[in-house]
Amino acid sequence: GEDVEQSLFLSVREGDSSVINCTYTDSSSTYLYWYKQEPGAGLQLLTYIFSNMDMKQDQRLTVLLNKKDKHLSLRIADTQTGDSAIYFCAESWDNYGQNFVFGPGTRLSVLP
Amino acid sequence: DGGITQSPKYLFRKEGQNVTLSCEQNLNHDAMYWYRQDPGQGLRLIYYSQIVNDFQKGDIAEGYSVSREKKESFPLTVTSAQKNPTAFYLCASSDRADRTDTQYFGPGTRLTVL
Repeated sequence: GEDVEQSLFLSVREGDSSVINCTYTDSSSTYLYWYKQEPGAGLQLLTYIFSNMDMKQDQRLTVLLNKKDKHLSLRIADTQTGDSAIYFCAESWDNYGQNFVFGPGTRLSVLP
Repeated sequence: DGGITQSPKYLFRKEGQNVTLSCEQNLNHDAMYWYRQDPGQGLRLIYYSQIVNDFQKGDIAEGYSVSREKKESFPLTVTSAQKNPTAFYLCASSDRADRTDTQYFGPGTRLTVL
């Protein structure tokens, strides 16, 4: 079945760049997403990328998509302590939302 | 303000009792979803509904029930048949007219069964 994988933990120093990686298995994905979850809260959509794009940039966030390798990454420039959270990668592959799969989440810790 | 609300934020129940979690949205979204989140795991889909009066089982529907009598409401009942109900429950919604298929989430309800 469809599967999305992420490393579970990442630690970076404040001011450095963070790169969170994700691999997925379904080559027919239409959109891929990054969500952020702060402690005790719901998921907040950070950004998404259409599957025929290679890159998307939004302020400090850069998303790279390598469709051949089924690899998605999220780069956070100038990481701040407020970026400490769990980051989920997700994919969908139809227009009706029932085929939407999340990765296990990467817990980002930003050290002062 | 448009958004998704879940209540209560924290819920405690005794083992063997049914409990209903509320999810309401005023985004006029057609589709609504319930997920369960356990520590160190991703989200697992319990039930989803594409339109009013229709809903489908997700990956882990056993021990749960839902209803969709109104577009804006999608309550989840955790029944006594659910073997391990203590978890964080997240409700989401999406607009079928949105080609990005993005799901928007509520703040979650943490259920603890004693």
